[in-house]
Amino acid sequence: DTEVTQTPKHLVMGMTNKKSLKCEQHMGHRAMYWYKQKAKKPPELMFVYSYEKLSINESVPSRFSPECPNSSLLNLHLHALQPEDSALYLCASSQDGQGADIQYFGAGTRLSVL
Amino acid sequence: QKEVEQDPGPLSVPEGAIVSLNCTYSNSAFQYFMWYRQYSRKGPELLMYTYSSGNKEDGRFTAQVDKSSKYISLFIRDSQPSDSATYLCAKPTFDGGATNKLIFGTGTLLAVQP
Repeated sequence: DTEVTQTPKHLVMGMTNKKSLKCEQHMGHRAMYWYKQKAKKPPELMFVYSYEKLSINESVPSRFSPECPNSSLLNLHLHALQPEDSALYLCASSQDGQGADIQYFGAGTRLSVL
Repeated sequence: QKEVEQDPGPLSVPEGAIVSLNCTYSNSAFQYFMWYRQYSRKGPELLMYTYSSGNKEDGRFTAQVDKSSKYISLFIRDSQPSDSATYLCAKPTFDGGATNKLIFGTGTLLAVQP
């Protein structure tokens, strides 16, 4: 089973709201990723957690706050977003983020910021 | 020069045609490659991955790698309307941090006409 589950599938929020995106995997993977994808563009890496520690932050604005409560769960907390943050947010996981590592993606959360 | 470059498309072919999707890469480190298929408004789905020069087959799909020219291809035989999607090539890179990063091509939108 190579399933990564993301909730919710769709989210509409105002610029003053606080919301969270959730991601879960049960493949025993120790690396988890958040990506942002705009229409007709490839995914852009935002954050990487390896063994529950933040290992990469691609200079993402502080209105995006990641959290990895345990090895199976990854959250992305959203606060005071801008309309340009509307996008498909993808979670992925891989064995450990090292060497010949394959990333498996979830179906994504489609976020609209009004 | 981008680390991974992909023929942008879009590509429109009749049902049953052989499709060729192509990427080039510049960094010879971590020479393993992935092809993802992404249907509209869904997350990327791993289609194939390969480490070696030469061909790797999986059903109607063949991934080809030429390390001497840094060229990778995905061939789809007997293309079906259900193959209509965006195809993303990807390769890991390492910038000295704790984990690898996945670099995507820009994606090729394929439409298979019935």
